[in-house]
Amino acid sequence: DQQVKQNSPSLSVQEGRISILNCDYTNSMFDYFLWYKKYPAEGPTFLISISSIKDKNEDGRFTVFLNKSAKHLSLHIVPSQPGDSAVYFCAARDTGNQFYFGTGTSLTVIP
Amino acid sequence: DAGITQSPRHKVTETGTPVTLRCHQTENHRYMYWYRQDPGHGLRLIHYSYGVKDTDKGEVSDGYSVSRSKTEDFLLTLESATSSQTSVYFCAISPELAFSSYEQYFGPGTRLTVT
Repeated sequence: DQQVKQNSPSLSVQEGRISILNCDYTNSMFDYFLWYKKYPAEGPTFLISISSIKDKNEDGRFTVFLNKSAKHLSLHIVPSQPGDSAVYFCAARDTGNQFYFGTGTSLTVIP
Repeated sequence: DAGITQSPRHKVTETGTPVTLRCHQTENHRYMYWYRQDPGHGLRLIHYSYGVKDTDKGEVSDGYSVSRSKTEDFLLTLESATSSQTSVYFCAISPELAFSSYEQYFGPGTRLTVT
């Protein structure tokens, strides 16, 4: 059963606007959450992460929010740029150092 | 970019044949991982290693074995390939956990087709 879920397979946003990508998880023992970006025919690249003891982490245009009570995290990209068009995966780490990935959300930023 | 390569990049093989995929790193990172990516499943962990000769199973380890005899190399073996193992395989590395935010660096992937 999928422990990390991304329920939106795709998202389209106008350039300059905010992109919000969502992720839900079921395991309350996850202690770290990460977002990766993936272009076709390439491996994923790390974007940003957040510890379970925090509720927000910001890095430039990227901000990750964590709501532990709802078991929900989101990635905000502001402003969105055409180069941000890619598939975004959220991932979670358990205390046994195993990582669980969501199924990905394909973001298209329209110029 | 982290120095991580995978070989081969593409392979077509027949059902029942053995296949070995290689992951090579030049970063001297302790942790190495093998994932497979399939539509509707995202990336799923097959096996991982936390040091030379130290490996453990992931959530989809059946039908796969791994070996790590040197820090820089992590091999994934399909002893007898099946069509359900057709996938894109990614290797990833990460440094000592205490000094990182747990991010992993991924290789370019190997596309394996089992006919």
